[in-house]
Amino acid sequence: DAGVTQSPTHLIKTRGQHVTLRCSPISGHKSVSWYQQVLGQGPQFIFQYYEKEERGRGNFPDRFSARQFPNYSSELNVNALLLGDSALYLCASSPGLPNTEAFFGQGTRLTVV
Amino acid sequence: RKEVEQDPGPFNVPEGATVAFNCTYSNSASQSFFWYRQDCRKEPKLLMSVYSSGNEDGRFTAQLNRASQYISLLIRDSKLSDSATYLCVDLTGTASKLTFGTGTRLQVTL
Repeated sequence: DAGVTQSPTHLIKTRGQHVTLRCSPISGHKSVSWYQQVLGQGPQFIFQYYEKEERGRGNFPDRFSARQFPNYSSELNVNALLLGDSALYLCASSPGLPNTEAFFGQGTRLTVV
Repeated sequence: RKEVEQDPGPFNVPEGATVAFNCTYSNSASQSFFWYRQDCRKEPKLLMSVYSSGNEDGRFTAQLNRASQYISLLIRDSKLSDSATYLCVDLTGTASKLTFGTGTRLQVTL
């Protein structure tokens, strides 16, 4: 069985550029959440989507946006990249709400130069 | 005050030792709690859920004290393979937001 898959695994972008990160949840899971993890810190909640609707948003600027597709996959978009956006971006998949059982993908490591 | 606070460590212990990690949370409305394990440059993986009655899984024991808003993880007979960062997590709100602590790094040595 495939776990949570994220793409790309690594990415280097220049300040001011835009980036799109992708996530495919475990088959049958309808909830996807996005987290940002900077070095030395725990993951920070960015968004949660369930049944294609945004159900929660963390304390991140409007440069961050996301969406969930009919097949439950999801995209995280970040505009006008800053150096401080360099981090590991993690996608978590869960069957539904509440997400008492969240499974994480391997993450996308974004470096902004 | 951070929502979930942990001692970042590192905890350096010899193989076979017993080690305990503590965590406090600030949101009295938090519904559920978990311990996740994260290896270097890897994704977090669920280690165990934490219940008010406490729960045990092999060498690992988790306890929750709601009155003190305190969570603990005890690892007995530490193995080299236990070396990792242990993340204390609470689940809050209708969005089922997971709030992570900064993590406690454990290094088990020979």
